[in-house]
Amino acid sequence: DQQVKQNSPSLSVQEGRISILNCDYTNSMFDYFLWYKKYPAEGPTFLISISSIKDKNEDGRFTVFLNKSAKHLSLHIVPSQPGDSAVYFCAASEPYKYIFGTGTRLKVLA
Amino acid sequence: NAGVTQTPKFQVLKTGQSMTLQCAQDMNHEYMSWYRQDPGMGLRLIHYSVGAGITDQGEVPNGYNVSRSTTEDFPLRLLSAAPSQTSVYFCASSYASTTEAFFGQGTRLTVV
Repeated sequence: DQQVKQNSPSLSVQEGRISILNCDYTNSMFDYFLWYKKYPAEGPTFLISISSIKDKNEDGRFTVFLNKSAKHLSLHIVPSQPGDSAVYFCAASEPYKYIFGTGTRLKVLA
Repeated sequence: NAGVTQTPKFQVLKTGQSMTLQCAQDMNHEYMSWYRQDPGMGLRLIHYSVGAGITDQGEVPNGYNVSRSTTEDFPLRLLSAAPSQTSVYFCASSYASTTEAFFGQGTRLTVV
């Protein structure tokens, strides 16, 4: 049973608009969450993270929101740029390892 | 700073062959892990290690072996390759489980 879920396999957004990528989890013991971006033929690269003691973390155009009661996190990209087109994975941290979602392919249209 | 280095980048194996995927990191990270990425399945954990001499199974360990004799290296062995092991394999390392993990470039493996 998947503990970290990304229910939208793909998302298309116009350049300059907001991209919102969603992630749900089932284990309330998770206390640290990360977002990764992956381009074709490359390894995933770290984007932003959030601890469960926070409900928001910002880094430039990227903001992650955490709703612990709903077991839901989201990544907001504002404004979206064509270079943001990639697959985005959310991940939850367990002791010694990470549990990844299935990914959302974001396409930013110029 | 090389980060996480995986070799080879591409490999084609025949069913039943064995091989080792190499992974090395130069960041002195204790935590290392192997994932496989398949369409619609995301990144699934195969094996992980919390330090030299210590390894454990992840979500999909069958058909794979690992060892960790040094902090730097974490090879993944396919004992008898099967078509179901056709995938892209990623090695990752991190300082701790509450910090970011750094990934290698991946190894694309095809088993025919």
